[in-house]
Amino acid sequence: AQKITQTQPGMFVQEKEAVTLDCTYDTSDQSYGLFWYKQPSSGEMIFLIYQGSYDEQNATEGRYSLNFQKARKSANLVISASQLGDSAMYFCAMRVTLYGGSQGNLIFGKGTKLSVKP
Amino acid sequence: GAVVSQHPSRVICKSGTSVKIECRSLDFQATTMFWYRQFPKQSLMLMATSNEGSKATYEQGVEKDKFLINHASLTLSTLTVTSAHPEDSSFYICSASVSYNEQFFGPGTRLTVL
Repeated sequence: AQKITQTQPGMFVQEKEAVTLDCTYDTSDQSYGLFWYKQPSSGEMIFLIYQGSYDEQNATEGRYSLNFQKARKSANLVISASQLGDSAMYFCAMRVTLYGGSQGNLIFGKGTKLSVKP
Repeated sequence: GAVVSQHPSRVICKSGTSVKIECRSLDFQATTMFWYRQFPKQSLMLMATSNEGSKATYEQGVEKDKFLINHASLTLSTLTVTSAHPEDSSFYICSASVSYNEQFFGPGTRLTVL
């Protein structure tokens, strides 16, 4: 069964510093996709970054980068130069591969609440 | 990026009434949409997969007669919570895929059943 684990319920970081949010996953599929979303208190899910299992390089999007270690099945999110607006819940997710190879829904970890201190 | 809208954003209703939530893909066609539910301080859990022109697929433990899903067009899926009860109070959020590496979410609907 596919599973996402986020072991940090809450994290604190000083403004302008970098922070790493942990995510490990479990799947027997060779082809899979990993996502990170930010959920502020408003509830909307904001897409941050994507990493495909066959991507050789770590994904980067502005201040977000994904530290992908395939052998360890980890996909940690690194946020550089934290800003007060980064305070939110962060969810790691994996796309389910359905029977026949078609792509399905996402399964989510429990999330990490990031608080940025001024 | 692709835009998914949801309406209403917030609804309060009395126990026993039915509530309809709309999910629209504004600038792309979505043959498949997903409905998730999120209880306070918890993660998103898939309720059902909505397929255009066919019946929805429900996750184990989700009552299909209580949560009616209709995906009548390539841009609209609706979730109707029938005979709502206080335990149905939750945050309901839909999503749709543009491609393998993109899945966009609507802004969510916060349902409160009194």
